[in-house]
Amino acid sequence: RKEVEQDPGPFNVPEGATVAFNCTYSNSASQSFFWYRQDCRKEPKLLMSVYSSGNEDGRFTAQLNRASQYISLLIRDSKLSDSATYLCVVNPVRAGGTSYGKLTFGQGTILTVHP
Amino acid sequence: EPEVTQTPSHQVTQMGQEVILRCVPISNHLYFYWYRQILGQKVEFLVSFYNNEISEKSEIFDDQFSVERPDGSNFTLKIRSTKLEDSAMYFCASIETVHGYTFGSGTRLTVV
Repeated sequence: RKEVEQDPGPFNVPEGATVAFNCTYSNSASQSFFWYRQDCRKEPKLLMSVYSSGNEDGRFTAQLNRASQYISLLIRDSKLSDSATYLCVVNPVRAGGTSYGKLTFGQGTILTVHP
Repeated sequence: EPEVTQTPSHQVTQMGQEVILRCVPISNHLYFYWYRQILGQKVEFLVSFYNNEISEKSEIFDDQFSVERPDGSNFTLKIRSTKLEDSAMYFCASIETVHGYTFGSGTRLTVV
């Protein structure tokens, strides 16, 4: 099983649509979870951290289900500028419980928002 | 806003040559990282560096790779004898906490 698995898409949606991305992770001891955004040939940029209680940042809502090892991202009222690759990212924990901040990335889900 | 600076932005090298990729992390950050992304593939962890030593490295980070923080500001990744499959984007990152990653804009390495 891949450490972090995402549906690669692509998702093609019209402006204003709501779109949801899903992600699963294999390391049940993982500590921290994130959604990053990556534009073509650019560096990943943090979109939002994901907390067990679920969290929202404007049009973006993230959910975490530790029991199912499942993370989701919901984007409401899509904008053209939301077109990018969305990366599900996990901070795994090494055997022994230490973490030096290493991130494990999913393959990414490509989103294209069209007029 | 503080940023992580990487140079060069693009490097072309011949197979078998040594390359050094340079990074200037954010000054008060304590943890430093190198990641790579082969075109069309996912971002992969290479190495983490803390307190002037490697704290973790991946299987990719073999004897051909080394990292150094030579002067308290720069953080370098050296590939001793490049192979075609080393062609990728290499991203440097630094953090205070895992919730505060700052990635550099990357160095595109092309091995010919």
